[in-house]
Amino acid sequence: GAVVSQHPSWVICKSGTSVKIECRSLDFQATTMFWYRQFPKQSLMLMATSNEGSKATYEQGVEKDKFLINHASLTLSTLTVTSAHPEDSSFYICSASTSWGETQYFGPGTRLLVL
Amino acid sequence: QQQVKQSPQSLIVQKGGISIINCAYENTAFDYFPWYQQFPGKGPALLIAIRPDVSEKKEGRFTISFNKSAKQFSLHIMDSQPGDSATYFCAASYGGATNKLIFGTGTLLAVQP
Repeated sequence: GAVVSQHPSWVICKSGTSVKIECRSLDFQATTMFWYRQFPKQSLMLMATSNEGSKATYEQGVEKDKFLINHASLTLSTLTVTSAHPEDSSFYICSASTSWGETQYFGPGTRLLVL
Repeated sequence: QQQVKQSPQSLIVQKGGISIINCAYENTAFDYFPWYQQFPGKGPALLIAIRPDVSEKKEGRFTISFNKSAKQFSLHIMDSQPGDSATYFCAASYGGATNKLIFGTGTLLAVQP
């Protein structure tokens, strides 16, 4: 099956710093990638949808200037949390799909802890 | 209209029993209904999915039952095993896999040996 990887798997940073999370589709070209956030014991909340080569579409309530998304190639999307604060601590998960695909394939997630 | 309601919130089943998780939706435009399994600290993994043109789909021990008129669908796990203990999410989308998934609230399943 299709494999999606994320890097890093976990990161600890100081408040005010920026953190970049990578999402890669390893064996297929992903025309669309999605970024989700999941708080403990809660469901996945979609943050944004990105298509290769175009600007991301953010969900209502998600600050696009704080959560920068770049989908520069068909195999890589990045999420940058700028000026991170403790309330940004969460589990960030990406998924990827192809234009003809039946489903989305999820990455293993990145746990962010902001001190 | 964009919500997917999932129940129960948690479920305890004995080994060998049947686990049943239910979901309901409002938006009749939804045309793709997947179920995901998530272990702690991991990303969700697709279990099984169904489209509204069929009423049931079975893959191994996992079965989706779909009731289009009631706008409900459910996951049945037959012969539940301790290794099935995880959180299960239903989801819905329209227009295929390139459109966003709306997730249910999740069900924490514990299968007791």
